Amino acid sequence: AQSVTQLGSHVSVSEGALVLLRCNYSSSVPPYLFWYVQYPNQGLQLLLKYTSAATLVKGINGFEAEFKKSETSFHLTKPSAHMSDAAEYFCAVSPNSGNTPLVFGKGTRLSVIA
Amino acid sequence: DTGVSQDPRHKITKRGQNVTFRCDPISEHNRLYWYRQTLGQGPEFLTYFQNEAQLEKSRLLSDRFSAERPKGSFSTLEIQRTEQGDSAMYLCATTDLAGSPSEQYFGPGTRLTVT
Repeated sequence: AQSVTQLGSHVSVSEGALVLLRCNYSSSVPPYLFWYVQYPNQGLQLLLKYTSAATLVKGINGFEAEFKKSETSFHLTKPSAHMSDAAEYFCAVSPNSGNTPLVFGKGTRLSVIA
Repeated sequence: DTGVSQDPRHKITKRGQNVTFRCDPISEHNRLYWYRQTLGQGPEFLTYFQNEAQLEKSRLLSDRFSAERPKGSFSTLEIQRTEQGDSAMYLCATTDLAGSPSEQYFGPGTRLTVT
């Protein structure tokens, strides 16, 4: 069964610093991978998705993620953190065809310090 | 605002009562998912529909839970005889299956508190 592990339940960075949120997946087949962001009391918004077309995926709000098969990782990065990036971030994997229920990690809460 | 709406946004109920939540999808989206999110956890899959057909139910969906999607439009999730462990955020997501993989659009959720 597919699973996702997010290392670090809470990450704190200074405004303008690099953001790195870690995600490792377990999948017996080539996975479809996603990063979602959740602001307080809101639903989830898609940041980016990996579809095997390219290993470096660019998303919204300046975020990007790199798929590394050898490391079974899909870490999310942003060169310069902004106060508005403070939120909960979830990595998710879609088993099988990609259009099936998502399996989410436990999430990482990002705090941005002024 | 993704275009997926959920009602109510918050529900407080006493243990043993029945509750029903509603999800209205983006109009052309034929697939609809229900997830449950507890504090400090990621969303967990409950069930999903393709049009009006319920295709899969998670083991998390006990006999007290039932979901419907009449006419393939809005969906309802009912919990009978609520328990304190049912307290969670219930999220609805919909997709039109365009793209590979397609994007799931999430509603704002219904936060259930069972006292």
